[in-house]
Amino acid sequence: AQSVTQPDIHITVSEGASLELRCNYSYGATPYLFWYVQSPGQGLQLLLKYFSGDTLVQGIKGFEAEFKRSQSSFNLRKPSVHWSDAAEYFCAVGGPGYSTLTFGKGTMLLVSP
Amino acid sequence: NAGVTQTPKFRILKIGQSMTLQCTQDMNHNYMYWYRQDPGMGLKLIYYSVGAGITDKGEVPNGYNVSRSTTEDFPLRLELAAPSQTSVYFCASNVDRVEDGYTFGSGTRLTVV
Repeated sequence: AQSVTQPDIHITVSEGASLELRCNYSYGATPYLFWYVQSPGQGLQLLLKYFSGDTLVQGIKGFEAEFKRSQSSFNLRKPSVHWSDAAEYFCAVGGPGYSTLTFGKGTMLLVSP
Repeated sequence: NAGVTQTPKFRILKIGQSMTLQCTQDMNHNYMYWYRQDPGMGLKLIYYSVGAGITDKGEVPNGYNVSRSTTEDFPLRLELAAPSQTSVYFCASNVDRVEDGYTFGSGTRLTVV
């Protein structure tokens, strides 16, 4: 069975500082991995995804993530956070043979001035 | 191209009432999904469908029913509303490749009192 762990429920980052959100997954083979962002009262928007090839993937809004098979991780990073990045972030996993994605519990990002 | 449209956006139900949450997509996607989102719990899969006439249970199907008579529509039915069904409900779709990720609707916030 596939599963996702996001260890941090809340993270506070100063505006302009760098950001790393952690995601660990459990899956038997090479997974499909995703990061979504949810602004208050909104649906989820896809930031980036990985399913093969280069392990460092670029997404929208200046985000990137790195797939590390040895650590079963897919951490999200951004070099300089903006106040508009304050939102909830969800990591998700899927894979060949599955028709659905499994989501983590989310990490709420707060941005301080 | 509207994407995934959910109606209503908000609803208050009394215990024991029934209602249908509507979801329609105009992208000719074969796969459609219903998730519920509760604070601190992430998204949990209720039901999904891989094509018209085909539905399957997810992680938390009890108290819900679905049907998929057309490619475009995937309504979610609550027959006897209970306070435990107070949640935000998201519909999502995908062409037929999980590695592409989902397109989400904007959600329905349901309160059962």
